[in-house]
Amino acid sequence: AQSVTQLDSHVSVSEGTPVLLRCNYSSSYSPSLFWYVQHPNKGLQLLLKYTSAATLVKGINGFEAEFKKSETSFHLTKPSAHMSDAAEYFCVVSDGSSNTGKLIFGQGTTLQVKP
Amino acid sequence: EAQVTQNPRYLITVTGKKLTVTCSQNMNHEYMSWYRQDPGLGLRQIYYSMNVEVTDKGDVPEGYKVSRKEKRNFPLILESPSPNQTSLYFCASSSTGISFTGTLHFGNGTRLTVT
Repeated sequence: AQSVTQLDSHVSVSEGTPVLLRCNYSSSYSPSLFWYVQHPNKGLQLLLKYTSAATLVKGINGFEAEFKKSETSFHLTKPSAHMSDAAEYFCVVSDGSSNTGKLIFGQGTTLQVKP
Repeated sequence: EAQVTQNPRYLITVTGKKLTVTCSQNMNHEYMSWYRQDPGLGLRQIYYSMNVEVTDKGDVPEGYKVSRKEKRNFPLILESPSPNQTSLYFCASSSTGISFTGTLHFGNGTRLTVT
């Protein structure tokens, strides 16, 4: 069975400092992994995705994530936070080996960026 | 403009009064899905559809119905709403292949309150 755990419900950083949002997953098969961002009163937008190609994935707005199979992790990072990065972030896992549309979302991490 | 359109954005209703939340996409996507978002629980999948006339249960299907008679539309039906279905609902769509690696495109959400 698939599952995903976001290790922090809330992360607070100062503008210009690095961002780290942690995600661990569990999957019986080779997973596809995604990070989505949700700004207030908006739908979710894809930041980046891992689908068994390069393990270091670059996304939009300077975000990147590294797939580490040995650690079952897919942490999201950004070298320097911007005020506009304040939002909720979701890690998502899909069973990449089967023709199913089931996706499992993490509980979400709220990123606060202080001036 | 490519988009997923949900209606209504806000809905207040009473227990037991049937309602439908509409979802339409203009991207010719095969895959469509409904999620509910509750604080601390992330997004949970209600139902999904891999193509016309093909629907399947997600993780929390109880109390909901869906239909996929046309590719572009995927309405969510609550036959007899109850207060525990008060939530923020999102519709999403994606082009998808054999293994689900597609990018989800989300609507802006429907905030439902059942009294």
